[in-house]
Amino acid sequence: GAGVSQSPSNKVTEKGKDVELRCDPISGHTALYWYRQRLGQGLEFLIYFQGNSAPDKSGLPSDRFSAERTGESVSTLTIQRTQQEDSAVYLCASSLGLSTTTDTQYFGPGTRLTVL
Amino acid sequence: ILNVEQSPQSLHVQEGDSTNFTCSFPSSNFYALHWYRWETAKSPEALFVMTLNGDEKKKGRISATLNTKEGYSYLYIKGSQPEDSATYLCAPVTSGSRLTFGEGTQLTVNP
Repeated sequence: GAGVSQSPSNKVTEKGKDVELRCDPISGHTALYWYRQRLGQGLEFLIYFQGNSAPDKSGLPSDRFSAERTGESVSTLTIQRTQQEDSAVYLCASSLGLSTTTDTQYFGPGTRLTVL
Repeated sequence: ILNVEQSPQSLHVQEGDSTNFTCSFPSSNFYALHWYRWETAKSPEALFVMTLNGDEKKKGRISATLNTKEGYSYLYIKGSQPEDSATYLCAPVTSGSRLTFGEGTQLTVNP
């Protein structure tokens, strides 16, 4: 079956513009996660969804970041008024459930965002 | 913020060498530890999920051990091959559903 897909694969934008990143999880996976990796840093948790709700938004770096998930499927991560420090690879992952002891997170290929 | 340390940061070995690297994490409130392999231009790939102290898991030439009391895990690769070249990430879980990733060990296997 299909894995996690993300679009676009690359996005170059100008400072101050809004961007929208999309994630299509594996069908039937109820949990969905967003991470990012900035240059020279580790993977940083942003937000996760259980179904369509997001119990933990504490990883979002600022109020310019928001995410939503509809139909227990597609999720979009929106960054408003982008800044250069938002440049990173944004990764999405999905898992069957929320158990971190049994449920493996499957990652998409990522979106490389460059803010000029 | 959970302090996760991986060492070494990078490693170069020759094909056929065996190698190992370390993931250190706080031992309190431990739930699980995940290991991932991330090859350049690909998605991170799950290797192991470990939960019990003394756990040892194996996948082909790759194995991992877990010590939850002292807060570390070792990843071993036996007879390294060029296709093993990747960044190896560990991610302990101490609460909720959040994985906290280390910065990884970047392995390069020279033919």
